[in-house]
Amino acid sequence: GENVEQHPSTLSVQEGDSAVIKCTYSDSASNYFPWYKQELGKRPQLIIDIRSNVGEKKDQRIAVTLNKTAKHFSLHITETQPEDSAVYFCAASSGNNRLAFGKGNQVVVIP
Amino acid sequence: DTAVSQTPKYLVTQMGNDKSIKCEQNLGHDTMYWYKQDSKKFLKIMFSYNNKELIINETVPNRFSPKSPDKAHLNLHINSLELGDSAVYFCASSRGTGPGYGYTFGSGTRLTVV
Repeated sequence: GENVEQHPSTLSVQEGDSAVIKCTYSDSASNYFPWYKQELGKRPQLIIDIRSNVGEKKDQRIAVTLNKTAKHFSLHITETQPEDSAVYFCAASSGNNRLAFGKGNQVVVIP
Repeated sequence: DTAVSQTPKYLVTQMGNDKSIKCEQNLGHDTMYWYKQDSKKFLKIMFSYNNKELIINETVPNRFSPKSPDKAHLNLHINSLELGDSAVYFCASSRGTGPGYGYTFGSGTRLTVV
């Protein structure tokens, strides 16, 4: 089955700086890559996703890039704010909508 | 109007008891899931139903039994609870099983077995 690795496990950034989280996946058939944000004590929420026919997608301060050859994708957050502090999960799906999640990345934005 | 709702939000119970968690979605989605999130935050799929039919059944102890009376509801019954069952259980739904359908998660049920 699909194996998704996510790193680093914890990332601290100064407010206003950029944050980048990287994920790798193992199944070359995977074609859908969502990112979820989970604030403390809350549910994971979809923040952005990308399909395998697109290399980059942007939504305001967040963007996702996909490199199918290298089988990795990244989440970029620019101009970080304290409310960006959360655990971020990447995931990959290969068509049966079974999402395989990474282990999560704790992002801490330091005011 | 909550899209995916779970009850109860918190559940504290003794080892050996049997308990149920309920989930309902009003999004008109066809597919529902149960995920377990352990203390290290890892999200692990347990079950998935598509239009009341079980389509994913991961390696989960048979003490866990899901039931989907209709496509808007997915319940989870756990027999003979053990300490290791303590976790947050998330229900989720998606429009279908094809690629590209993001999940909508419920608010979670924090189960504590003492």
